[in-house]
Amino acid sequence: QAVVTQEPSLTVSPGGTVTLTCGSSTGAVTSGHYPYWFQQKPGQAPRTLIYDTTYKHSWTPARFSGSLLGGKAALTLSGAQPEDEAEYYCLVAYYGAWVFGGGTKLTVL
Amino acid sequence: QVQLVESGGGVVQPGRSLTLSCAASTFSFNTDGMHWVRQAPGKGLEWLAVIWYDGSKVYYGDSVKGRFIISRDNSKNTLYLQMHGLRAEDTAVYYCARANRYGFKLDYWGQGTLVTVSS
Repeated sequence: QAVVTQEPSLTVSPGGTVTLTCGSSTGAVTSGHYPYWFQQKPGQAPRTLIYDTTYKHSWTPARFSGSLLGGKAALTLSGAQPEDEAEYYCLVAYYGAWVFGGGTKLTVL
Repeated sequence: QVQLVESGGGVVQPGRSLTLSCAASTFSFNTDGMHWVRQAPGKGLEWLAVIWYDGSKVYYGDSVKGRFIISRDNSKNTLYLQMHGLRAEDTAVYYCARANRYGFKLDYWGQGTLVTVSS
């Protein structure tokens, strides 16, 4: 089974910009992996932010965006807010299996 | 508004079986693919299984292949996860999540149900 890697932790200043990445042990992450991004706050269920690399749901704040960057999936947060402090997980689809990354703990400080 | 409500969690002895349910309040359940995902205490998310909208295809993660079975009853708007041969490492909160017909475009998640495997 493939391994999906994320930065364990990142810190961003309020109003700042940060990029989280998601890599795959099998090689480059592409649009064919339909990468997803989820946000999870303590004690809550995950919430889907991004699907199919770049697409947002109706509830996804405009300050979040998804892309491919250097062979990885990326989640960029522009104009961080205190409420964005959370764990962020990517999910990559392989043929017949989906694999989560280990998560990135994002601190807004 | 889509609502997914998991149930069936609890304390179970190692080696025993348990079945989880996910009740969906949606008009489109019979056109929705569905996933099961779990999260062990203090750990990250782990993908377990997906089922197509009509139940014709199912896929499993390596850690549960051969022990867990995902199924659905579209007449009852309900998704199931049968868990057999439970181990201590299966202790987790189990979530269901909705997707499109073939399991892509995940959107809504349930609140989860806790399964504790302990003697």
